[in-house]
Amino acid sequence: NAGVTQTPKFRILKIGQSMTLQCTQDMNHNYMYWYRQDPGMGLKLIYYSVGAGITDKGEVPNGYNVSRSTTEDFPLRLELAAPSQTSVYFCASSSLDRGKETQYFGPGTRLLVL
Amino acid sequence: RKEVEQDPGPFNVPEGATVAFNCTYSNSASQSFFWYRQDCRKEPKLLMSVYSSGNEDGRFTAQLNRASQYISLLIRDSKLSDSATYLCVAGTTDSWGKLQFGAGTQVVVTP
Repeated sequence: NAGVTQTPKFRILKIGQSMTLQCTQDMNHNYMYWYRQDPGMGLKLIYYSVGAGITDKGEVPNGYNVSRSTTEDFPLRLELAAPSQTSVYFCASSSLDRGKETQYFGPGTRLLVL
Repeated sequence: RKEVEQDPGPFNVPEGATVAFNCTYSNSASQSFFWYRQDCRKEPKLLMSVYSSGNEDGRFTAQLNRASQYISLLIRDSKLSDSATYLCVAGTTDSWGKLQFGAGTQVVVTP
């Protein structure tokens, strides 16, 4: 299993540009998440999905959109990039083991908006 | 107030020594707790779950204190490879997708 994969690894955007961060998992997990992590800060939840066709906002959803057409894929869309969206973006998926949720993370996408 | 708070450190630890640090959580309904490890510029990876009675995994020991709402992580016989940021995580049983991550405690093991 590849686990959770993300592309691209790194991207530079100009203000106002748009892009899609890709996330795929091959563990057949229903739950998937997008987080951002700013330097020295904790992970902040942007959006999450409990299954194909179902998404919900997290703590910091403004400026982002998601879709979940399949169990495997959970892309994150930035429509009008702003410098405040410079961050590292992690996608994760989770399983339930003995009543505890364990999240598995992708390697991250580093985004710089200039 | 943050739901999960950690001392950011860094905790500078000589190789072979023991280091311990805590994390506090504010939601008394939290039922599941974890420690994740994050290396510089890498993704978080699960280190261990934290059980009510406390648990060990090799050189790592995790404890939960529900009365005071904190969990702890102790690392014995520290290795250089233990240098990382340790993230404390708390969740409730009815909050799928809403695990709360602390900002992390940095540990630096020195030769």
